[in-house]
Amino acid sequence: EAGVVQSPRYKIIEKKQPVAFWCNPISGHNTLYWYLQNLGQGPELLIRYENEEAVDDSQLPKDRFSAERLKGVDSTLKIQPAELGDSAVYLCASSFEGLAGDTQYFGPGTRLTVL
Amino acid sequence: LAKTTQPISMDSYEGQEVNITCSHNNIATNDYITWYQQFPSQGPRFIIQGYKTKVTNEVASLFIPADRKSSTLSLPRVSLSDTAVYYCLVGQTGANNLFFGTGTRLTVIP
Repeated sequence: EAGVVQSPRYKIIEKKQPVAFWCNPISGHNTLYWYLQNLGQGPELLIRYENEEAVDDSQLPKDRFSAERLKGVDSTLKIQPAELGDSAVYLCASSFEGLAGDTQYFGPGTRLTVL
Repeated sequence: LAKTTQPISMDSYEGQEVNITCSHNNIATNDYITWYQQFPSQGPRFIIQGYKTKVTNEVASLFIPADRKSSTLSLPRVSLSDTAVYYCLVGQTGANNLFFGTGTRLTVIP
């Protein structure tokens, strides 16, 4: 069974440029998560989707970050415009139902460098 | 918010048993305890999960005392490939109180 797929794996952009990350969750998983991981820190949740609905986006900086999950499968996370402080790894994860005890499966992440 | 406290780092020799303890004093009645492992340039990987007492799978054991205010991940006979960061999480997957913390960096020494 294929795991969570993310692309690109690496992205280097100049500040003020837009950037987008794509995630394909495990087939059949209804819940999708985007996390931000800074160097030496654990992942921090940005947004959680239940099917197409964003049910928790309280940690998403909405002035520059946006996300969508059309049709309840793939998801895209966008930053526009990017700032130097956005350099980090962006992780996508999915779980079957998002209920207590459900395991989250993570993709390899996209490492973003903003110059 | 049920945050956790873990040692920042641990060293162990190959072949030894490693126990990593996590404190979670504010754990809620319906919270699970979950451990993840993360290698460099990879996403975290699920190791084990439990609610109370003891859970064992093919890679680790999880010991949870009756008060559930702490838990211990036990890795039997570690190898060099077990060098990684280990995260203890408390909460309900899918809820907004899932918190990774900084984890424990385990280094296995030959």
